[in-house]
Amino acid sequence: KAGVTQTPRYLIKTRGQQVTLSCSPISGHRSVSWYQQTPGQGLQFLFEYFSETQRNKGNFPGRFSGRQFSNSRSEMNVSTLELGDSALYLCASSLGVANTEAFFGQGTRLTVV
Amino acid sequence: AQKVTQAQTEISVVEKEDVTLDCVYETRDTTYYLFWYKQPPSGELVFLIRRNSFDEQNEISGRYSWNFQKSTSSFNFTITASQVVDSAVYFCALSESGAGSYQLTFGKGTKLSVIP
Repeated sequence: KAGVTQTPRYLIKTRGQQVTLSCSPISGHRSVSWYQQTPGQGLQFLFEYFSETQRNKGNFPGRFSGRQFSNSRSEMNVSTLELGDSALYLCASSLGVANTEAFFGQGTRLTVV
Repeated sequence: AQKVTQAQTEISVVEKEDVTLDCVYETRDTTYYLFWYKQPPSGELVFLIRRNSFDEQNEISGRYSWNFQKSTSSFNFTITASQVVDSAVYFCALSESGAGSYQLTFGKGTKLSVIP
């Protein structure tokens, strides 16, 4: 079956702009989580959506937001971009219940200049 | 609060050597789940194994094996007869059952280089 698809793979944006990243989970998976990966902070949890509802949120400013559609596809948005937002953004798809694994996409590499 | 520590930042081994990647975790939950993921240069995190807190049986899958010890809060990963294709960053992760959501807390990762 198809894996997790993230688009775009690469993005270059200017400080102050906003960006939207997209994630299509594995068919049948209702949970989509987003993670930010940077060399300094490692992998950090942004938020999780389950059946169109945000179920949990990490410790990130309000500039980071997301949503999930009825087909489980998810988008995350970052407004007023800062240089420090440059990172690999990874999306994880899962059944959303305990004792199941998450499957990750290849990520979107965001560079803010 | 949950925490995962991978003390080894980078490891280099010569091909065919065995290598063990260490993982120590902290959690207050009695039910939790541990994972190992591999991240090759392409960036995608590849799932390797899941273990729940009630199952301390060690597991072997081909050249990979995992040793889970609740007494020391460790979940170590051993690669036997390493190969160049094993070169990647390996992450240990923890998920707690009581959080009401699916959230992984990752260690900082161990970069493994296998030299031919």
